[in-house]
Amino acid sequence: AQTVTQSQPEMSVQEAETVTLSCTYDTSESDYYLFWYKQPPSRQMILVIRQEAYKQQNATENRFSVNFQKAAKSFSLKISDSQLGDAAMYFCAYRSQNRDDKIIFGKGTRLHILP
Amino acid sequence: DTEVTQTPKHLVMGMTNKKSLKCEQHMGHRAMYWYKQKAKKPPELMFVYSYEKLSINESVPSRFSPECPNSSLLNLHLHALQPEDSALYLCASSQTVGQGNAYEQYFGPGTRLTVT
Repeated sequence: AQTVTQSQPEMSVQEAETVTLSCTYDTSESDYYLFWYKQPPSRQMILVIRQEAYKQQNATENRFSVNFQKAAKSFSLKISDSQLGDAAMYFCAYRSQNRDDKIIFGKGTRLHILP
Repeated sequence: DTEVTQTPKHLVMGMTNKKSLKCEQHMGHRAMYWYKQKAKKPPELMFVYSYEKLSINESVPSRFSPECPNSSLLNLHLHALQPEDSALYLCASSQTVGQGNAYEQYFGPGTRLTVT
């Protein structure tokens, strides 16, 4: 069975600085998707970034980028120029490409932005 | 339109009540999901519907009864709930593996349920 591990329950970063959130996963599959979701306090969960496992190039979305290391089963999220609006719970998630429609979430990292 | 809507936003119900949560999407997604989320925890999958058929039931108690009347609508019927069922109930939708590339799930804002 696949598992997703986020080893940092909480992190803090100064506004305008860069922070990296860690995620590792375990799978025997070769084709899958990885996601980072953001859930601000009392607000909707939204997708931050996704990565297809067959793509070697790391995904980027504006200030958000990932470091995808397939062999190491690592999928970290880098947030550059942190803003107050980035404060949220961040969930790393895994989805198989070939099987059922489940996605598997990590336990989350609560990110605090210090003004 | 990339929106998943959920009603109501908040619900307070007694343990003997019957109520329903509603979820709607118009993105042509054929997979829809119900999750339960406790504070500071990740969402826990409850049910998955694929092409309007129940494909996954994560051993959810029978006091939760899902229904998918059509490809855009998903309901969750609640009956005889317990106080520990109080949580945020999230609906989500996505393409399925049968639709080609299976990408991310789009989440609704959730229904905050309190059982008294």
